[in-house]
Amino acid sequence: GAVVSQHPSRVICKSGTSVKIECRSLDFQATTMFWYRQFPKQSLMLMATSNEGSKATYEQGVEKDKFLINHASLTLSTLTVTSAHPEDSSFYICSARGLATGTGELFFGEGSRLTVL
Amino acid sequence: GENVEQHPSTLSVQEGDSAVIKCTYSDSASNYFPWYKQELGKRPQLIIDIRSNVGEKKDQRIAVTLNKTAKHFSLHITETQPEDSAVYFCAASRLEAAGNKLTFGGGTRVLVKP
Repeated sequence: GAVVSQHPSRVICKSGTSVKIECRSLDFQATTMFWYRQFPKQSLMLMATSNEGSKATYEQGVEKDKFLINHASLTLSTLTVTSAHPEDSSFYICSARGLATGTGELFFGEGSRLTVL
Repeated sequence: GENVEQHPSTLSVQEGDSAVIKCTYSDSASNYFPWYKQELGKRPQLIIDIRSNVGEKKDQRIAVTLNKTAKHFSLHITETQPEDSAVYFCAASRLEAAGNKLTFGGGTRVLVKP
């Protein structure tokens, strides 16, 4: 199957700093990537849909100025958590869907665990 | 938007028994229903999916059933094994060229006791 790689897997930062998480599709081109957040023992909550070459579409309640998403190429999307606070500590997971339509399957990255001190 | 409800939230079964997880969805236009297995600290892994043009799909010990009229679908795991212990998520979406935004259920923590 297709491979989606996420980096870093773990990051610890101080409150007020910014953190960038990268999501790469390694063996396919992804026109659309999705960013999810997962708190402990909870479900995956969609934050935003990232489309190559255009602005991301954010879900209701997600601050676009705080969670900056860039999808500059067909293989890379980045999520930047700006001015991070302890309540932003979570597991962030990206997923990607390839150019080929019809299969429906999304491929998930390994996830990035963010801890804000 | 789509809303997916999943039950039960936890499920404990004896090894060898069957496990059943049920989900309901709200958007009648949803036509793709995948199930994911997530182990602690790891990414969700697709285990089976079903489209709205079929009512049932089976893959070895795993099967999924779909009732479009009632808008619910279920995951059945037979002959459970300890390695089936994980969190399982159902999801629903519309298959379309530029979308396929998945809405997840709340998850079911399955524990298979040896």
